[in-house]
Amino acid sequence: RKEVEQDPGPFNVPEGATVAFNCTYSNSASQSFFWYRQDCRKEPKLLMSVYSSGNEDGRFTAQLNRASQYISLLIRDSKLSDSATYLCVVTTSSNTGKLIFGQGTTLQVKP
Amino acid sequence: NAGVTQTPKFQVLKTGQSMTLQCAQDMNHNSMYWYRQDPGMGLRLIYYSASEGTTDKGEVPNGYNVSRLNKREFSLRLESAAPSQTSVYFCASSEGSGDQPQHFGDGTRLSIL
Repeated sequence: RKEVEQDPGPFNVPEGATVAFNCTYSNSASQSFFWYRQDCRKEPKLLMSVYSSGNEDGRFTAQLNRASQYISLLIRDSKLSDSATYLCVVTTSSNTGKLIFGQGTTLQVKP
Repeated sequence: NAGVTQTPKFQVLKTGQSMTLQCAQDMNHNSMYWYRQDPGMGLRLIYYSASEGTTDKGEVPNGYNVSRLNKREFSLRLESAAPSQTSVYFCASSEGSGDQPQHFGDGTRLSIL
């Protein structure tokens, strides 16, 4: 079983739609959680950290469920520019900063 | 405002050749990382350096060596390239602790023939 699992998609949605991605992780000792965004043939960039209490940044909301070991990302009012691959990322070590990446979920927002 | 700089951006090698991928960061970060990204596999950690003077193996270290030359620079060496090492290689850095984000370079697209 992969340490971090995501549905690769693609998710094809119209502009203005709300879309949600889930990610599950296998290590219950996981400590920190992130969503990164990766555009085609570009480097990953941090989208947002995920906190136990949930957090929101504009149209983006991230949730963490430690009991069920999953993380979610909700995107409201999708824009064409949201088209990208979204990477779920987990770290199990606070000392080294080692990250475990999911393979990513691809989102395509259509006009 | 360079951030993380990788060189070269593209490289084609023949099987058995060697080369070194260079990475430098100007953010005074303690930790640096090398990943490879293959289709359907996501990013996999090759080696990392939690602080200057230390290096450790990641998930897929075989066939690679690294050097943390100083706090700024972390190089990745392929001693005898194999076609299985054809990939996109990303270098990243972070302040160090697990709850700090990693900043990535643009990547090196490496093909081994």
